[in-house]
Amino acid sequence: GAGVSQSPRYKVAKRGQDVALRCDPISGHVSLFWYQQALGQGPEFLTYFQNEAQLDKSGLPSDRFFAERPEGSVSTLKIQRTQQEDSAVYLCASSLGLYRGVQETQYFGPGTRLLVL
Amino acid sequence: AQKVTQAQTEISVVEKEDVTLDCVYETRDTTYYLFWYKQPPSGELVFLIRRNSFDEQNEISGRYSWNFQKSTSSFNFTITASQVVDSAVYFCALSEAPDSGNTPLVFGKGTRLSVIA
Repeated sequence: GAGVSQSPRYKVAKRGQDVALRCDPISGHVSLFWYQQALGQGPEFLTYFQNEAQLDKSGLPSDRFFAERPEGSVSTLKIQRTQQEDSAVYLCASSLGLYRGVQETQYFGPGTRLLVL
Repeated sequence: AQKVTQAQTEISVVEKEDVTLDCVYETRDTTYYLFWYKQPPSGELVFLIRRNSFDEQNEISGRYSWNFQKSTSSFNFTITASQVVDSAVYFCALSEAPDSGNTPLVFGKGTRLSVIA
């Protein structure tokens, strides 16, 4: 079936603009994660959803970052008043999340490359 | 806190050579999961393997093999008879076992592998 999709693939924003990044998880996947990957680094966790509930947002770097998943499928990561340090690749991943006590594989989308000028 | 160290930043090999990518992890959990992902130049993270802490058997998949050693907290990845298509950044990742749903991955900084024809 289809994998995780993300849009847009590339986004250029002027400092101070708001941006919205979309993630479509694999159909039926309950768990959804957002990660931020700076150039030359490994991905770093931002936030996690189980269905529509945001269970962990400990990785969000500031209150300018906001994520939602209102119907338990598509998720949007919003960054308000973008700063240059927000430039990175934003990765979305989904997993089944159905089995208690089992860590299932997270499948990643192609990412959105954000450049803030 | 969990931590993953990939000490090799970059490796270059000639095609058909064998190459081992090192991964050392730190965790206080008795149950945890380890992963390897490949990130080709296109940018998408491709899942390679998932291993839980109770399964110390080594695994082989085609030209890929993994050596999990709890005694040294290592989960090394070997590519046999490397090919140019193996050129990518490889990430090792660690997660705790979830109570429900899934948990975030903690990634290493990655090892960039270049296979030269």
